[in-house]
Order: sequence, then structure tokens, then C-alpha cells
Amino acid sequence: GAGVSQSPSNKVTEKGKDVELRCDPISGHTALYWYRQRLGQGLEFLIYFQGNSAPDKSGLPSDRFSAERTGESVSTLTIQRTQQEDSAVYLCASSLGTGAYYGYTFGSGTRLTVV
Amino acid sequence: KQEVTQIPAALSVPEGENLVLNCSFTDSAIYNLQWFRQDPGKGLTSLLLIQSSQREQTSGRLNASLDKSSGRSTLYIAASQPGDSATYLCAVRGGNKLTFGTGTQLKVEL
Repeated sequence: GAGVSQSPSNKVTEKGKDVELRCDPISGHTALYWYRQRLGQGLEFLIYFQGNSAPDKSGLPSDRFSAERTGESVSTLTIQRTQQEDSAVYLCASSLGTGAYYGYTFGSGTRLTVV
Repeated sequence: KQEVTQIPAALSVPEGENLVLNCSFTDSAIYNLQWFRQDPGKGLTSLLLIQSSQREQTSGRLNASLDKSSGRSTLYIAASQPGDSATYLCAVRGGNKLTFGTGTQLKVEL
């Protein structure tokens, strides 16, 4: 598509429930990234995909967080047993490549609120 | 570990002023540096990307410079407009991740 698309744009969930956040990268972009932005804070790296593999998962905050990517396209970030501290905007970005020439294009994010 | 700092944290200027936003980073082994703007409740919009081998990039009223050896970048905005009001983020790319600064919140007043 023309840009990075994320859904839903907003999600309110009860503490303890599982949620799935979706990211559709720009067509042909092999690299995909998930970031989190808590209220009033900077962006935190969560995970990086190259194709369907995730060589860097170092930013996932706990084992309640997981992500997958299929068909070198759509990615899903799953948060199990949500906690109030998971409330944040989750941003997805994609990149055509990983060299110095390539920048990131971000989606508009999913605002997650855990009540 | 890469650390990125942006100064000032907030800035308010009258319309028409030229202004400079500053970004510094601790590890000069970067692939590139990217400036973004973020509007309230929105995602990030890429403004300029400077590869590590480049010194500056320009787009319209925006000019970004990079001094990799000293770990500094500046974003110059000419003839500021109220529509420039947003948070400006600088991010450096090392390996396969971007490290973001904490941002400069800019307000351009009529």
C-alpha cells in the first residue's frame, strides 16, 4: 500500500485480556519494526523483522509480548494478560532495506488503553 | 549503548522566526540520522534523512546537518509558521534499530 497501516487505531481492553495489534507495511519493504511510546515518554524499540524472521527481539518487555510476521508482509503484535503499564501507543515502521540509504516509514499507531 | 539528547525540550517562537533544534548522540558509529515530526495523537512523519557519509540535507524550509565525529545534528527551520507546531524527534540508526531522542516540542505563535 501507499503507507504503513495499523489497526485498530484505538483499543480499550480490560486488564488480563489478550490483545492483537496489526501492522501492514509498505509493499516490498523487507524490514519491519515495532516501537512503543508511553505517555510523555520517548519511543522504545520492541522488535525487528527481516522478512519473516525476527533477529532482534531484545526490546520485548516480558514473555507476555510476542510478534510474528507472515508472507514478508503483515505483522501481528500480541500482548497476553494485559496490564495497566502496557497502556501506550504502539507504532509500526517499515523500511525498504537495512542500509544507510534507507529510512523508516511509520504508521499512525495503535493507542492501547488497559483499564 | 547509544543515547540521544535533544535540546531544548520545548521552544516557543513568533511566526516568521528562523530556529535551530539540536540533537546529540553518544556513539558515532551510525548508519544514518533521521528527523521526524509528531503531531499530537498521530504517528511520525519523516522530514529528512542524512546518511552517515553526508553533511546535510535540505527540503523546502528545512535543513538538517550532521557532524558525525562530534555526535551532533541540527535541524534548521526557516521562516517558521504556526503549522510547524509539533514535536520534533531525531533518531539515529545503528545496526537494525533506531534510537530516539526525547524530542523538542515546538510552538509557533501568531
